[in-house]
Amino acid sequence: AQTVTQSQPEMSVQEAETVTLSCTYDTSESDYYLFWYKQPPSRQMILVIRQEAYKQQNATENRFSVNFQKAAKSFSLKISDSQLGDAAMYFCASGNTPLVFGKGTRLSVIA
Amino acid sequence: NAGVTQTPKFQVLKTGQSMTLQCAQDMNHEYMSWYRQDPGMGLRLIHYSVGAGITDQGEVPNGYNVSRSTTEDFPLRLLSAAPSQTSVYFCASSYTPDFWETIYFGEGSWLTVV
Repeated sequence: AQTVTQSQPEMSVQEAETVTLSCTYDTSESDYYLFWYKQPPSRQMILVIRQEAYKQQNATENRFSVNFQKAAKSFSLKISDSQLGDAAMYFCASGNTPLVFGKGTRLSVIA
Repeated sequence: NAGVTQTPKFQVLKTGQSMTLQCAQDMNHEYMSWYRQDPGMGLRLIHYSVGAGITDQGEVPNGYNVSRSTTEDFPLRLLSAAPSQTSVYFCASSYTPDFWETIYFGEGSWLTVV
């Protein structure tokens, strides 16, 4: 069975600073995707970024980037220039059918 | 384009009552699924479907039934509600079950069982 582990239940960051959220996963699949989802207080699930496991280059979407270490099965999310609107729950997920989620990291942004 | 639509958004049930959470998508997606979200637990898969007439169990299927008679609809039935089923329920869909597909989520249904 797949597992996704987020070891940081809560994190905080000063506005404009950089924060990294950790995620490790375990899968027996040879090809897969990894995702980070953002969940604001509205509970809407918003896709932040995704990484194809067979691509060595780390995915980047504006202020969001990942550090994908396939051998270590690690998939961390870096948020640069943090903004107040980044405050949310962040979920790491392993993209096989079905999608498996970690328990989430609650990010607070301090003005 | 409505995307994934869940109804109702909020519901309070008494223990032992039954109800159906509705999920509909208008994107001709093959794959649909139901998750529940509990505090500190992330999202856990209840049931999923890879096409009309095909359903399968996820991680936490007990107490829930599903059916997929059409491509568009994937209702989740609570047979006899229990307080342990108090949760936020999310329906999700993707064009195919393939792992690279983008998954679209509904806005969630808040269920309280008293």
